[in-house]
Amino acid sequence: QKEVEQNSGPLSVPEGAIASLNCTYSDRGSQSFFWYRQYSGKSPELIMFIYSNGDKEDGRFTAQLNKASQYVSLLIRDSQPSDSATYLCAVNGRDKIIFGKGTRLHILP
Amino acid sequence: KAGVTQTPRYLIKTRGQQVTLSCSPISGHRSVSWYQQTPGQGLQFLFEYFSETQRNKGNFPGRFSGRQFSNSRSEMNVSTLELGDSALYLCASSSLPSGRSQETQYFGPGTRLLVL
Repeated sequence: QKEVEQNSGPLSVPEGAIASLNCTYSDRGSQSFFWYRQYSGKSPELIMFIYSNGDKEDGRFTAQLNKASQYVSLLIRDSQPSDSATYLCAVNGRDKIIFGKGTRLHILP
Repeated sequence: KAGVTQTPRYLIKTRGQQVTLSCSPISGHRSVSWYQQTPGQGLQFLFEYFSETQRNKGNFPGRFSGRQFSNSRSEMNVSTLELGDSALYLCASSSLPSGRSQETQYFGPGTRLLVL
């Protein structure tokens, strides 16, 4: 079982709609979770982090964490063409941060 | 506060050569992690240094090595380069080591290495 799994996509979402990105992880002891956005040819940029079960909102972004199900998600409301990128889920494990391979998101104008 | 810086940004080498990449973390950050990113494999962890000590190492051959200096700057070295080493090499810094802390890693712009 992969430590952090994401659907590779591409996920195509119409402009103005909600984009939903999902991530599962295997280490039940993980306590902190991150979402990074990576544009093509650029380095990852942190957009959200979440430590507690439930929802955390920041502008158009909402991170959701369910530790019992070992599941973390990112919702992007009112999707814009500038949101087109690869989104990396990262989990702070026992001694290192583990990244998923990322989901490519494409916002359709 | 200045971000993470990496030098050089681009590098072309030939097989068999060696290369040294440099990373300067955010001021005050003592942890530096290195990653290799390729289209097929995603972000793969190379190693992490904290206060000049290697804390953790990923599953890479011994040709990949690193070190950290007392000012927290870090270098990674790849010897006997192979074609498959062509990748984007990223470093990330944080104030505390990775693990069960709530520390966040911030990435530098990366060094794109092409091995011919």
